[in-house]
This record gives sequence, C-alpha cells and structure tokens, in this order.
Amino acid sequence: GEDVEQSLFLSVREGDSSVINCTYTDSSSTYLYWYKQEPGAGLQLLTYIFSNMDMKQDQRLTVLLNKKDKHLSLRIADTQTGDSAIYFCAQGGSASKIIFGSGTRLSIRP
Amino acid sequence: GAGVSQTPSNKVTEKGKYVELRCDPISGHTALYWYRQSLGQGPEFLIYFQGTGAADDSGLPNDRFFAVRPEGSVSTLKIQRTERGDSAVYLCASSSQGGGIADTQYFGPGTRLTVL
Repeated sequence: GEDVEQSLFLSVREGDSSVINCTYTDSSSTYLYWYKQEPGAGLQLLTYIFSNMDMKQDQRLTVLLNKKDKHLSLRIADTQTGDSAIYFCAQGGSASKIIFGSGTRLSIRP
Repeated sequence: GAGVSQTPSNKVTEKGKYVELRCDPISGHTALYWYRQSLGQGPEFLIYFQGTGAADDSGLPNDRFFAVRPEGSVSTLKIQRTERGDSAVYLCASSSQGGGIADTQYFGPGTRLTVL
C-alpha cells in the first residue's frame, strides 16, 4: 500500500543546515511534496518535485530525490527561527489525493 | 483573494450526536478535498470532489461519514453518530483543476472536532 515515513523530530542550531529525510513506498507517485505547518496556521506547500527529477533548488530549499531507494530529502540552508514548524513529506499521483507522512518537528537552537 | 475558509473553527459535541463541517473553497476552484488530521499525525485523505461529484471517496472510514458539494462550490462534511475516535482536525483543500498534474492544493485552517 501507500505509506510515507519520516523521523519525528529534528533539532538544529540557528544558521546551520537542516536536512529532513523521508521514504515512500508508492513507486508510481508522479510528484512528491514538502508541506510546512506552523501552529495555528494551515498547511503550506513549500515545494514539490516531479518523479523524473533528481534535484530541485528554490532559494534556501534543496530537494533531493532518489527514486531507486524511494528516498526524498529537504535541505534548508541557513536555518532561521522562523523555520520552526512541522514539515510533512507527501506523495501524489494520478488520483489527486495526497498521502502524507506523520511530520518532522523542526526546532531551532540559538 | 480569500483563501479556503472552514467553519466552525472548533466544534465540541457529545458521543452519538450529528455534526456538519463546512468548507468554502477558493473561488473558481473546481477540485475540493477533505482530509482528517489526528494528533501527532499527518493529514489523511477522506474524499475528493471534482465539481459537484465525488471523484474519489475511498478515504471515508465508514458509512457514518458523508460529504456533499451540491453546487460545485461549498462543501459540507457530515458525521453521524459521532464517536470519540472521530476527534481530530478536519482539513479542507481546494485546487484549480485537480487530477493528475502538479496542481497545488491550498489548505484551510481546519475545524477542530472534539467528541466527548
């Protein structure tokens, strides 16, 4: 079946890079997403990558996709306190519904 | 323009009661989605509408859950005979097209349902 796994917590020092990892099971996924959820706010789409790409860069965000290992990662460069949130890895396909992981809570140390 | 809105923001009900949760999508968006997010979990897909029709309702957990979108805009999620396990945040999302392409889903703030 469809499943998305990611670690629950990550703590990094302000200014360092954060790397959040995710594995997924559905090899037919057309695209993979990273969503951000802050307290009291709705889910915000950060970025997505098509399954035929290996890497996508968008300002401080870098997404790496290893399709063979079904592994996705999100790197946030120069992590700031405003990056504190829960980050969800998700997969989507032709059916439109999105399958989410359980989320990784990113906390920033001064 | 306005984003996706959901009402009420919070709903407390007693076990066995009936509840309705409302979603107003972004104007002009033809696709509408309902998800449920339990504490400490990611959102879980419930149902997807394309226009007025439910294109995929495979995520509805049982027949106590039902959703409608009669005019292709506002949608109502209805839960009968609520159980304590139904307690969660119910999220609504809309997108301009839906279906098979990287079509961004915009999420509302959710309705927090608590069943006592």
